[in-house]
Amino acid sequence: EAGVAQSPRYKIIEKRQSVAFWCNPISGHATLYWYQQILGQGPKLLIQFQNNGVVDDSQLPKDRFSAERLKGVDSTLKIQPAKLEDSAVYLCASSPKTGRNQPQHFGDGTRLSIL
Amino acid sequence: AQTVTQSQPEMSVQEAETVTLSCTYDTSENNYYLFWYKQPPSRQMILVIRQEAYKQQNATENRFSVNFQKAAKSFSLKISDSQLGDTAMYFCAFKIETSGSRLTFGEGTQLTVNP
Repeated sequence: EAGVAQSPRYKIIEKRQSVAFWCNPISGHATLYWYQQILGQGPKLLIQFQNNGVVDDSQLPKDRFSAERLKGVDSTLKIQPAKLEDSAVYLCASSPKTGRNQPQHFGDGTRLSIL
Repeated sequence: AQTVTQSQPEMSVQEAETVTLSCTYDTSENNYYLFWYKQPPSRQMILVIRQEAYKQQNATENRFSVNFQKAAKSFSLKISDSQLGDTAMYFCAFKIETSGSRLTFGEGTQLTVNP
């Protein structure tokens, strides 16, 4: 079974620029998550999708972050404009369905550096 | 709101010995799930073990076992016969039993296994 695919692996941009990350979940997984992991901290959920609908985006800074999951499969996370504090690893995860103890399967993440 | 605390930022152990990582959490919920994830330098989060709060029996997975103390809100991870490949960041995580609920992570413990 192929795992969660993310690209790019690394990205370096200057502040105020825009950036986009892509995630392709495990085939058949209905739930998709985007996490932000700042260096030295645990991951923090940014947004959760169930199919192509948003379940939880309460911790997403909506003034600069946006995410979509068209057709309920792959997803993109965008930051516009980027700030220095956005430097982090962005992890995508998927699970078969939401709720209960469905384990989340993670991708390798995208490391974003803001200059 | 749920919180997860890992009080040991770093730990080290000799190869083949046993080590225990601590985790405490705070919640007013009665039904929830607890997880330990491992994150090697490759950045991919890997599920190590999980525990349902309604189960009194502690979960075990090969060399990994937990000591779940519900009243004390404690969930420690024991790694027996430590191997060099166990070197990684370990995160404790919590999820309440509600459809769509988020996974809340602790700050992590960096474990180093020394030869």
